[in-house]
Amino acid sequence: QQQVKQSPQSLIVQKGGISIINCAYENTAFDYFPWYQQFPGKGPALLIAIRPDVSEKKEGRFTISFNKSAKQFSLHIMDSQPGDSATYFCAPNFETSGSRLTFGEGTQLTVNP
Amino acid sequence: DADVTQTPRNRITKTGKRIMLECSQTKGHDRMYWYRQDPGLGLRLIYYSFDVKDINKGEISDGYSVSRQAQAKFSLSLESAIPNQTALYFCATSERRAGANTGELFFGEGSRLTVL
Repeated sequence: QQQVKQSPQSLIVQKGGISIINCAYENTAFDYFPWYQQFPGKGPALLIAIRPDVSEKKEGRFTISFNKSAKQFSLHIMDSQPGDSATYFCAPNFETSGSRLTFGEGTQLTVNP
Repeated sequence: DADVTQTPRNRITKTGKRIMLECSQTKGHDRMYWYRQDPGLGLRLIYYSFDVKDINKGEISDGYSVSRQAQAKFSLSLESAIPNQTALYFCATSERRAGANTGELFFGEGSRLTVL
């Protein structure tokens, strides 16, 4: 579990604000960097992912920033909405060779109206 | 219908009882996983299977066993349940075929187990 460290553990943001969640990893061979989103009573689902050939990927209000030299990647949620309230997990791994995935500890995001 | 189905969704049992959690999938994926979720600890891998004849221990396999009855079915057993196995359990699947994104997991909705 120490291979992947996620921060913060919890985050409270006002509606319209920016939410930032960070993930640090140790294995430099990882080539796939996803974020999963989990709503209460549901299983996690892939939200957005990045590959190491780019430093940033944006999908709507969600952006991944990737810093290969620092072995970190982060999730930015712009214009945060109450519907974004969920737990977020990072799970860096291997895209095609397959691996048992290691997840970060999770970040519980609460967006207040 | 869900692609990854877990049964039961909720179960309360007593210490020492044998419990089986079942998972079935219609995604046609070869790889299946069992994870355990505890508050503040994220998702921890219990067992995983890359095909019917391949079973591997994860980071917290002690006290658990699994059976891969078919490509689509993967069950998790607690032979003698204890209170610290109270948790939310998730089954997941992923692709194996060459060129596919094997890094994406598809999760069931979870099985909440309480051991008294």
